[in-house]
Order: sequence, then structure tokens, then C-alpha cells
Amino acid sequence: KAGVTQTPRYLIKTRGQQVTLSCSPISGHRSVSWYQQTPGQGLQFLFEYFSETQRNKGNFPGRFSGRQFSNSRSEMNVSTLELGDSALYLCASSLSGRLDTQYFGPGTRLTVL
Amino acid sequence: AQTVTQSQPEMSVQEAETVTLSCTYDTSESDYYLFWYKQPPSRQMILVIRQEAYKQQNATENRFSVNFQKAAKSFSLKISDSQLGDAAMYFCAYRSADNDMRFGAGTRLTVKP
Repeated sequence: KAGVTQTPRYLIKTRGQQVTLSCSPISGHRSVSWYQQTPGQGLQFLFEYFSETQRNKGNFPGRFSGRQFSNSRSEMNVSTLELGDSALYLCASSLSGRLDTQYFGPGTRLTVL
Repeated sequence: AQTVTQSQPEMSVQEAETVTLSCTYDTSESDYYLFWYKQPPSRQMILVIRQEAYKQQNATENRFSVNFQKAAKSFSLKISDSQLGDAAMYFCAYRSADNDMRFGAGTRLTVKP
């Protein structure tokens, strides 16, 4: 089975712009979660989608949003980028999201200038 | 709220020796999963081992094993016969029944030849 894929792998944006990141889960997995990883804050949960519905949300401002499509692929969007949004964004998929194992993608490295 | 604590920011081990990474967590729930993930320089998060809280038997995956002490809320990872490829950041993670996923700050493991 192919693993979790994320596109693009690297992205450079400027302050005020918006960005969309994409995640394709492992085939058969219906739950997709997003995380932000920074040296200062570590790994922080952004949100989780299951069957096209946001099921759980972390403590991030409304500039961070996401969605999931019927094929379980997910996108996350960050509007009005700030310098502090520079981070590695990780996507993880799991079968149902209920007490099961998450498998991570390679991440998207976002740099905001 | 559940918290995960890794008290060792850095650890070092000689090749072929054994090392133990510590993790403690705080929860009032009885049903949850615990994980150790490895993040090498490539940044891809890789599942190392998983422990279901309802299982008393400690999980083992080849050279990797855990010491799960539910009453003490402790979940340490033992790596036997350490190899150069084991060098990475190791994250302890907690996943609750309501999908809350928390990570520790990580332990950077160096393997000396």
C-alpha cells in the first residue's frame, strides 16, 4: 500500500498571502489529522477530519482551516500568512480515528518571508 | 487535559548497547493508546511501537520494547543493540478515545560508532 503523501513538499510564501496544502491518506483510511511542528512549540494538533466532517479541532486561529473530500483526501488552508506560520505541516491518516494508529506523511515545509 | 512529558531532551548510546527513553503522561481516562514515533533527519514520522492501555503485556517490536506502567503513568522505550540508523528524534504520544492526540517534546538520540 502506498503511504500518506503530501504536496507540495516545500513552499515559500510572503506575509499576507494564503496557502493550500494537500494530503492523500493511505487507501482505506478515512481519518486525516493535521499537525504543525515548530522548534519552539513542538508538535501541535490542528484538526481532524473524518468522512468529510471536522471531528476535532486544536487551539489555532480561524486563519487555519481545512476540508476533506469524498475520497478522503484533505486540504488545509492558511490565510493571511504570518512569519510565525513557518513550520513543518504534517498530515496523518488512520482507519477510523478511534483509538487506532496514525501514519504520517513526509510533511510540507512552509517558509513565510 | 492530557499531557505527555519526555524529561530527556537528549540521550546518547554506543552502537550495540541498550538505551531507555522515558515518557510520563497524565490522564484520567482508562482507555487510550500510547505510541513511540521516530523522526529521522528526513522529518518523516515513523511509528516505532504501540501499546494499548488495556493490555498488561508490554509491546515488543524486534529490538524495540516498552515498559508500560499504567498506575505510574509511565511508558518508556528500550532500544536494544542500538544501530547507527536509530539516531533520530523520538516522540512519545498519547491518543485518547475522543481522538485527542498529544505528543511529548521529544528526545534526540545520538548513536556513537
